[in-house]
Amino acid sequence: GEDVEQSLFLSVREGDSSVINCTYTDSSSTYLYWYKQEPGAGLQLLTYIFSNMDMKQDQRLTVLLNKKDKHLSLRIADTQTGDSAIYFCAESPRVYGGSQGNLIFGKGTKLSVKP
Amino acid sequence: DTGVSQNPRHKITKRGQNVTFRCDPISEHNRLYWYRQTLGQGPEFLTYFQNEAQLEKSRLLSDRFSAERPKGSFSTLEIQRTEQGDSAMYLCASSLTRDNSPLHFGNGTRLTVT
Repeated sequence: GEDVEQSLFLSVREGDSSVINCTYTDSSSTYLYWYKQEPGAGLQLLTYIFSNMDMKQDQRLTVLLNKKDKHLSLRIADTQTGDSAIYFCAESPRVYGGSQGNLIFGKGTKLSVKP
Repeated sequence: DTGVSQNPRHKITKRGQNVTFRCDPISEHNRLYWYRQTLGQGPEFLTYFQNEAQLEKSRLLSDRFSAERPKGSFSTLEIQRTEQGDSAMYLCASSLTRDNSPLHFGNGTRLTVT
């Protein structure tokens, strides 16, 4: 079945790098996403990666994809207190002949950044 | 770009009452999605529309739930005869039609059923 797993908590010091890991199950997923959720708010798209890529970099964010192991990671360089939030990994399995009807989310990793 | 707008932000209702939520997507987005998020969990897909057509419904969407998007713009999600288990954050998202178009989420409507 479809499942996305993440560790639930990560604590880092301000200025350090954060690495949030995710495993997914559906090899048909063509895109994988990282979303950020701050308390009481909706989800903010951070970045996404196409499944034929190994890496994508966007300013302080680096996404690594190991398609063989179905492993995705998000690295945040120079983590700031404003990065404290819950980070969700999501996959987009193909359904119904190719339409992307929904995303499958993990339970989220709560990142705490200590000053 | 005003983003995805959801109303109300919070709703408290008594068990057995009906509630309706509204979502206004980003104006040029023709796909609209409803998700539900309970405490400590990721969002779970409920249903999605392409223009006014409802193309997919999750098995989570019981017959007490109905969603509409009559003119292909805003959407409503109605829950009839609410139960305490319906308490959750209801998130709306929208996207363009092409496959790599990411979902943009609103801030959600938090429902509390007492």
